[in-house]
Amino acid sequence: DAKTTQPTSMDCAEGRAANLPCNHSTISGNEYVYWYRQIHSQGPQYIIHGLKNNETNEMASLIITEDRKSSTLILPHATLRDTAVYYCIVEGRRNQFYFGTGTSLTVIP
Amino acid sequence: DVKVTQSSRYLVKRTGEKVFLECVQDMDHENMFWYRQDPGLGLRLIYFSYDVKMKEKGDIPEGYSVSREKKERFSLILESASTNQTSMYLCASSPSPGQGGEKLFFGSGTQLSVL
Repeated sequence: DAKTTQPTSMDCAEGRAANLPCNHSTISGNEYVYWYRQIHSQGPQYIIHGLKNNETNEMASLIITEDRKSSTLILPHATLRDTAVYYCIVEGRRNQFYFGTGTSLTVIP
Repeated sequence: DVKVTQSSRYLVKRTGEKVFLECVQDMDHENMFWYRQDPGLGLRLIYFSYDVKMKEKGDIPEGYSVSREKKERFSLILESASTNQTSMYLCASSPSPGQGGEKLFFGSGTQLSVL
């Protein structure tokens, strides 16, 4: 199963774009990349996912490199409520999801 | 919206007790999962189930068992609780595997303290 690597922590100014990187160099061709976030004391919340093409929804954008070995989650206008731990996950066999330690994003006023 | 409900938000048990953590989902999902979350270690998969009466071990199954007698309910059992099982336990569910791209829906978690 592919594993992911993320920076431990990041800061972002309120109102600016937050760009969270993720490396998944062992990903295979049919494995999706997912992003979740977890606000303190709550269960993780789905943000976005993608396979090959870039994706955008009301929460974020996901940019996947052409070789699929890395991706970037973009929060276009970060707010204080976006302060959370962000997990980049590659779906393993049979719908299993393996979470790492994620990136702790702090949005600064 | 999918709802995944964990029976307790906080639980305090004593060493050696048998502990049941209950999880119910209301969207007829085939897949259900139990994770534990510890500071610095992220979420780790304990057990999962693809169907009623089916179970498979995750990364850290030792000291745990599970039960799935009904599709909507997935129970995590600590046969004899120990202090190193003090943790946040998270239940999740997802639809049946299709072509990939299925979302995982989480409950709010149960913070278990074993004294």
